[in-house]
Amino acid sequence: GENVEQHPSTLSVQEGDSAVIKCTYSDSASNYFPWYKQELGKRPQLIIDIRSNVGEKKDQRIAVTLNKTAKHFSLHITETQPEDSAVYFCARNSGNTGKLIFGQGTTLQVKP
Amino acid sequence: DAGVIQSPRHEVTEMGQEVTLRCKPISGHDYLFWYRQTMMRGLELLIYFNNNVPIDDSGMPEDRFSAKMPNASFSTLKIQPSEPRDSAVYFCASSLDADTQYFGPGTRLTVL
Repeated sequence: GENVEQHPSTLSVQEGDSAVIKCTYSDSASNYFPWYKQELGKRPQLIIDIRSNVGEKKDQRIAVTLNKTAKHFSLHITETQPEDSAVYFCARNSGNTGKLIFGQGTTLQVKP
Repeated sequence: DAGVIQSPRHEVTEMGQEVTLRCKPISGHDYLFWYRQTMMRGLELLIYFNNNVPIDDSGMPEDRFSAKMPNASFSTLKIQPSEPRDSAVYFCASSLDADTQYFGPGTRLTVL
C-alpha cells in the first residue's frame, strides 16, 4: 500500500547512547528516502536522505541505511545529545510522481 | 536565501469564514507542495504544483479547499467555508527536483 510504517512511536535514551528508528514500505518503485526532524512548534527539517543506488550514508553523528530488497530503511543517531530531542519522520517518494509519503513519526527524548 | 515563506503564521477564525493561506517558494524551485499536519492524521499532502500547474490534488479533503499558483513565486490555499475540523498546521514546501523538499514555517489555523 501507500503507507510507510515507522517504529517505534516513542523512544527514550540516555545522553550519549545511540538511537535507531526503522521504517518499512511496500512500493518497490520508491527510490528516494529522506528523514526529517521536527522540533516542537517548528517546521520539519531535512536532516539526511538516501537514494536507492546506495546502501548507507553518513553525516557526522547521523546515518541512514537502506535495504531495498527487504524494503526497510533506518536512521541511526550516535552519541545522542539533549538537542536531538524531537519528532523524526521518515518518508519515501512515490515513483516519479513528486509525492512524499511520510511515516507517523517517532518522538525521541534524550535524557541528560 | 530566505527559504520558503508563509503567511500568516497564525490564523484564528470563526466557522463559516473564508481563510486564505499564502506561500512564497524558494526562488528557482519548480515544485510547490501544500501539507496539513494534525496529531490524528500526521503529515498529509494536500496538493502539489509543477511549474505553476496543479499535478495531484487527490489529497484535498473536499470542495471547500482550493489552491492556486498564479506565478512561480506565489501560491494560495483557500478554505471556504472553514470548519472546526480544518484546524491544523498547514505547511508549504518547495523543491527543485520534486524529491528534496524544504518546508516553510507553517500556518497554525484555528477555526472556532
